[in-house]
Amino acid sequence: KQEVTQIPAALSVPEGENLVLNCSFTDSAIYNLQWFRQDPGKGLTSLLLIQSSQREQTSGRLNASLDKSSGRSTLYIAASQPGDSATYLCAVRDNAGNMLTFGGGTRLMVKP
Amino acid sequence: GAGVSQTPSNKVTEKGKYVELRCDPISGHTALYWYRQSLGQGPEFLIYFQGTGAADDSGLPNDRFFAVRPEGSVSTLKIQRTERGDSAVYLCASSFGGGGGYTFGSGTRLTVV
Repeated sequence: KQEVTQIPAALSVPEGENLVLNCSFTDSAIYNLQWFRQDPGKGLTSLLLIQSSQREQTSGRLNASLDKSSGRSTLYIAASQPGDSATYLCAVRDNAGNMLTFGGGTRLMVKP
Repeated sequence: GAGVSQTPSNKVTEKGKYVELRCDPISGHTALYWYRQSLGQGPEFLIYFQGTGAADDSGLPNDRFFAVRPEGSVSTLKIQRTERGDSAVYLCASSFGGGGGYTFGSGTRLTVV
């Protein structure tokens, strides 16, 4: 059974810092990996989708990498802003099925 | 529609009552998913539809939970004899059913008192 872990569970940084959120998964036979953002009391907003054949994806200040063989992905946020404060969720879709398996999320607070 | 729509956004019900939660996916998306998210945790898979049929219902916790998608578009998640432990945010997502990403709705916050 696929298990997804996110470290750290919570992170507080001053505005302007570059930061890295980590995601690890136990079964490397994945179809793709997706990073989501969730604001308090809201649904999930997709940030980046990395197919299993890809190594990274970039969108603005966000960069996500994927190392399938080691079961790891990182989300890099450059020049963090208070508006980046949210929970960031990593989710893996396996080759065997269609559902996503989520990590527990990293709660990010960026202080002005 | 432009996004995945879920209604109601909030639902408070008494223990033992029956509830229905509705999901209206993005037009043209053949795949529809239900997830449940407890406070401080990531979403957990409940059931997945491809068209009208439930392709995978392995995440439904017990037989009090049931979901339908009769015309391959709107889906309803039904919970019988609700228990306090059913309190959570119920999220719906849709996709083209291939290798693309998922689009989530804003969820229904269910509180069983």
